[in-house]
Amino acid sequence: TQLLEQSPQFLSIQEGENLTVYCNSSSVFSSLQWYRQEPGEGPVLLVTVVTGGEVKKLKRLTFQFGDARKDSSLHITAAQPGDTGLYLCAENTGTASKLTFGTGTRLQVTL
Amino acid sequence: NAGVTQTPKFRVLKTGQSMTLLCAQDMNHEYMYWYRQDPGMGLRLIHYSVGEGTTAKGEVPDGYNVSRLKKQNFLLGLESAAPSQTSVYFCASRTGQTYEQYFGPGTRLTVT
Repeated sequence: TQLLEQSPQFLSIQEGENLTVYCNSSSVFSSLQWYRQEPGEGPVLLVTVVTGGEVKKLKRLTFQFGDARKDSSLHITAAQPGDTGLYLCAENTGTASKLTFGTGTRLQVTL
Repeated sequence: NAGVTQTPKFRVLKTGQSMTLLCAQDMNHEYMYWYRQDPGMGLRLIHYSVGEGTTAKGEVPDGYNVSRLKKQNFLLGLESAAPSQTSVYFCASRTGQTYEQYFGPGTRLTVT
């Protein structure tokens, strides 16, 4: 079973700061997804990356897929309180596209 | 469009009791999944279904059963609840065309 490690586990920052969270694997990803989960809700897909070296932007969020497809990062510029949540990376596996999730990074952005 | 709905939202069971969690989706999705989420462990796949009438085991299937009698519904059953099954349960669905999974709001289950 592929292990997905996310770091850091917790991050508490002030509004306006930048941050990066990481997702690393023991083996090559087929494709990787990033989800955000707010308290009391299910995860919501932010992005899917497929190609090594790929960079995708979603407003202030920048997602990067490592060249070797064994790691990925999420960078948030000028964080806002609305960015608070649990950020999960997940890999698609198998023909049924089952998801293997990382343990998550819990982000808190304060005023 | 309600998306993915789960009932109930909360439930407390005593050890040995049984219950069924219901997941319903109105998006005509082929694939449906049940996950559990525990602190510090992310989400883990319990069972999944690739279409009406089919089910398969995921990463942590022991102690659970599922059924997909109708395309829009995916039921998760606990025959004899144990404290280790205290968790938040999420259902998800997706089409066959994309990788995106749509999640329900979750069911918080406590087994005492």
